Amino acid sequence: DSGVTQTPKHLITATGQRVTLRCSPRSGDLSVYWYQQSLDQGLQFLIQYYNGEERAKGNILERFSAQQFPDLHSELNLSSLELGDSALYFCASSDAGDTQYFGPGTRLTVL
Amino acid sequence: QKEVEQDPGPLSVPEGAIVSLNCTYSNSAFQYFMWYRQYSRKGPELLMYTYSSGNKEDGRFTAQVDKSSKYISLFIRDSQPSDSATYLCAMSAGNTPLVFGKGTRLSVIA
Repeated sequence: DSGVTQTPKHLITATGQRVTLRCSPRSGDLSVYWYQQSLDQGLQFLIQYYNGEERAKGNILERFSAQQFPDLHSELNLSSLELGDSALYFCASSDAGDTQYFGPGTRLTVL
Repeated sequence: QKEVEQDPGPLSVPEGAIVSLNCTYSNSAFQYFMWYRQYSRKGPELLMYTYSSGNKEDGRFTAQVDKSSKYISLFIRDSQPSDSATYLCAMSAGNTPLVFGKGTRLSVIA
């Protein structure tokens, strides 16, 4: 168990809908990262937050947004969902170093 | 050229074999190198962490980094069926997001 929690484990929704994925980092970790993993693209970095502030942005679509709250948990919001958004979404956390610890992921299926 | 290249496999070996997994990279700024293990439909689990060039050993696992060749390796000795998973290399320049290889799928056959 990495200490990073993610909810829900599975999400099934329809195209055009909006969903929210939640992540709680390991105790004491200030950084939260979001990744998308699909079969053909591998693990793709989406966005990083550090202590409530956006730190780095990767291949995140404009339909996606994220935030980190004062208690350091983070949410990833996905809107206007398309079939191609079906993937595993992982959250990872780290302290000041470079090692990241991953949560169990949320499997999103868009029908 | 992709920033990190990793042979996707699949790689199938008999139990007890020595497994060699490799990644090459193009960004000379990378200084931190990691190997993650991912079981099917689970989150990646950190296996090994190495800073700069050199070797690091942890039990049956050895990580090697050759920065001059931009090449990293993970060796698994006495491989077990429980080692069957996808292995992902990852690297960063320091306080930057990790860049991952696509992963190598390993099967260890009893």
